Amino acid sequence: GENVEQHPSTLSVQEGDSAVIKCTYSDSASNYFPWYKQELGKGPQLIIDIRSNVGEKKDQRIAVTLNKTAKHFSLHITETQPEDSAVYFCAADSGGGADGLTFGKGTHLIIQP
Amino acid sequence: GAVVSQHPSRVICKSGTSVKIECRSLDFQATTMFWYRQFPKQSLMLMATSNEGSKATYEQGVEKDKFLINHASLTLSTLTVTSAHPEDSSFYICSAYPLAGLYYGTQYFGPGTRLLVL
Repeated sequence: GENVEQHPSTLSVQEGDSAVIKCTYSDSASNYFPWYKQELGKGPQLIIDIRSNVGEKKDQRIAVTLNKTAKHFSLHITETQPEDSAVYFCAADSGGGADGLTFGKGTHLIIQP
Repeated sequence: GAVVSQHPSRVICKSGTSVKIECRSLDFQATTMFWYRQFPKQSLMLMATSNEGSKATYEQGVEKDKFLINHASLTLSTLTVTSAHPEDSSFYICSAYPLAGLYYGTQYFGPGTRLLVL
């Protein structure tokens, strides 16, 4: 089955700086890679996703890049703000989003004021 | 946007009792609903996949007789934890995959249900 590795487990950055979280996956059949933000006691919230036919996607301060050859994808958050503090999860799926997701272990992002 | 609700948001029960958790897609119909479990400070782990009108498919290591799933309509799936024990205490989260329309193409997650078994 799919295995998703996520690094780092904790990331502390100064407000206004950029944050990068990286994930690797094992199943070459995976074709859908979403990123979720989870605040304490809440369900995960989709912040951006990318499909295997695209190398990069951007939505305001958030961007995701995908390298299919190397089987890794990354989340980039620019101009970080205090409200960006949360746990971020990457995930992978071989059904284009229609199958159960395999999640990474999560990154606790801390924005220092 | 696409909204998925769960009820109850938290439940405390005695060991040996059964607990039912509901997952509803409020503004779309869902072909498929998924149930995940998340232990404290850990990631989400897929428990089972349910399709409306079909038997659920369980992941390896998840007891189907303990975690009963019913997906009776395109907007409702229920998870019943039977004979709950303290080790079943966890955060249970559902997601729904839209049948078609504006939200098609990705899963939307509910807010989760915190289960504490005493």
